[in-house]
Amino acid sequence: GAVVSQHPSWVICKSGTSVKIECRSLDFQATTMFWYRQFPKQSLMLMATSNEGSKATYEQGVEKDKFLINHASLTLSTLTVTSAHPEDSSFYICSASLGASVYEQYFGPGTRLTVT
Amino acid sequence: GENVEQHPSTLSVQEGDSAVIKCTYSDSASNYFPWYKQELGKRPQLIIDIRSNVGEKKDQRIAVTLNKTAKHFSLHITETQPEDSAVYFCVSGANSKLTFGKGITLSVRP
Repeated sequence: GAVVSQHPSWVICKSGTSVKIECRSLDFQATTMFWYRQFPKQSLMLMATSNEGSKATYEQGVEKDKFLINHASLTLSTLTVTSAHPEDSSFYICSASLGASVYEQYFGPGTRLTVT
Repeated sequence: GENVEQHPSTLSVQEGDSAVIKCTYSDSASNYFPWYKQELGKRPQLIIDIRSNVGEKKDQRIAVTLNKTAKHFSLHITETQPEDSAVYFCVSGANSKLTFGKGITLSVRP
């Protein structure tokens, strides 16, 4: 149980375009989902916390108008990278919390974004 | 905000030997400390966790210790195997979010 999927697994887009990444909890309802970014050989950095039906909470330094997050249902959260630039190329990973503790997170497989 | 430091950044051990990874954290409010293993290009996987009311926890070859006074926690892997080779992250849970350390690359030599 506690499976999280992401789609797509990898995407290449041109500079200036927008890309949407989906994160789904397949066998449980996730009140809270999280979006992380991981550059090569670096750690996971939390970008934002997403709660179903409310606005996402962004970490300091993350542009909310550039990284649009929508959490419309208990099983789906989306991250849209708007006006992508090469420096946005990264591994984007979502996670979903199961149960009452937001700390017990299950991670998706990640989405590799390359902006050319 | 929370700061999690992890040392060393790389560790190489001979198969069968033990590996120890040490971490420190800064936020006294932290009360949950999971460890994640990540293979190249894959998702992080939880391997063990410990809560602040426990000093030590063991699961087969893996054990974790926590010293809240010193704000230290460590991962111990015994009888290492080549498949233990991966990046390991120590993590601190506080203020409803997880803060990851920089990660350590563990290499187990056959």
